[in-house]
Amino acid sequence: DIQMTQSPSFVSASVGDRVTITCRASLTIGSWVAWYQCKPGKAPKLLIYSASSLQTGVPSRFSGSGSGTDFTLTISSLQPEDFATYYCQQANSFPVTFGGGTKVDLK
Amino acid sequence: VQLAESGGGVVQPGKSLRLTCAASGFTFTTFTSHAMHWVRQVPGKGLEWVAVISFDGSNKYYGDFVKGRFTISRDNAKTTVYLQMNRLRLEDTGVYYCVKDKEVGQWLGPFDHWGQGTPVTVSP
Repeated sequence: DIQMTQSPSFVSASVGDRVTITCRASLTIGSWVAWYQCKPGKAPKLLIYSASSLQTGVPSRFSGSGSGTDFTLTISSLQPEDFATYYCQQANSFPVTFGGGTKVDLK
Repeated sequence: VQLAESGGGVVQPGKSLRLTCAASGFTFTTFTSHAMHWVRQVPGKGLEWVAVISFDGSNKYYGDFVKGRFTISRDNAKTTVYLQMNRLRLEDTGVYYCVKDKEVGQWLGPFDHWGQGTPVTVSP
């Protein structure tokens, strides 16, 4: 199985901050990575797919980069509605696996 | 576009549950062109992929932890997906989401539509 190691597990940030979350795959997976935003009581939301493609309707302050084994999700200027937990997911092979999550909280 | 899960509840270890996911707002062609998944959120462990079924139901894959206990199925005429869960364990407790694969012909994600989830609690 491909392990997705996400870091940090927790980020304390303020509105307007730049936030970067990383995900490392245990094997090379090309650009087969997606990123999701999860909020309590709400359906998870797809933000980024194919490592760097922005899902329709997602604000442009979200961006993704990377290939091979190392991937990054960046929020360029954190907004109040961005406080949530973020997960990476590899779409290279079965079984599909997710990172452990990064909770972005208010400083 | 909506995915509505139902069937969750509290059950004793070793018992069974059947989850249902009703899709609405999709055209029939859209639903029957995409793989469908179940993903769960286990307390303290984040998101965990459970199973996938191909657009026509002919292929299915499961997470390693399933070990023959769960069966995914779909009825395209009813735009509905099911997850039959047998021999439930304490560690199967979580919120189960019905999820649609974004791309036609893909079945590893990404997942562009998620339901609100149905909670499953396995407790003695």
